[in-house]
Amino acid sequence: EIVLTQSPGTLSLSPGETATLSCRASQSVSNNYLAWYQQKPGQSPRLLIYGASSRATGIPDRFSGSGSGTDFTLTISRLEPEDSAVYYCQQYGDSVRFGGGTKVEIK
Amino acid sequence: QITVKESGPTLVKPTQTLTLTCTFSGFSLSTSGVGVGWIRQPPGKAPEWLALIYWNDDKRYSPSLRSRLTITKDTSKNQVVLTMTNMDPVDTATYYCGHISYPLWDRWGQGTLVTVSS
Repeated sequence: EIVLTQSPGTLSLSPGETATLSCRASQSVSNNYLAWYQQKPGQSPRLLIYGASSRATGIPDRFSGSGSGTDFTLTISRLEPEDSAVYYCQQYGDSVRFGGGTKVEIK
Repeated sequence: QITVKESGPTLVKPTQTLTLTCTFSGFSLSTSGVGVGWIRQPPGKAPEWLALIYWNDDKRYSPSLRSRLTITKDTSKNQVVLTMTNMDPVDTATYYCGHISYPLWDRWGQGTLVTVSS
């Protein structure tokens, strides 16, 4: 089974800065079936990125995904206060795994 | 518009069986490429995948929980049911169901908190 390791655990940044979140897989993710979700307290996960780099419907272009194989990155440009949340990567398909999450705090 | 909603007991006793229902609208589970899946999320922790079922009745389970889980669908009622046997306090979590447009999970319900306690 694939293990997804996210880093850092917490990121504390100011509005307007850029957040770079990492998701590393213990083995190659098939077909780049790698998604990123945003979750705010008391809410369900919200799909941001799928296929490692495709933005979901309605997601601002400040959110971008990159990577392939075992190393993936979510970049959030021009941080806004509303971006404060926990971000999870997910390997999907016939088997599903989640990373441990990165908490993004806006100062 | 796709919506999914979880329902079931909020409190179960240890050793009991949990039965959760996902009721959905805006899609049909008889349409090729469509599926419904379940995840759970203990308080303050990351989500954990449980099971999924596809339009063709193909079912997949988390290897670590496979022996305790059963997922079924009722296409006519637009429902998917998940049962988990032998509940334990460590199973306390918010349980979510989600819509799958193969292979991507693109919509989630609001979740239902299940507490396991005597």
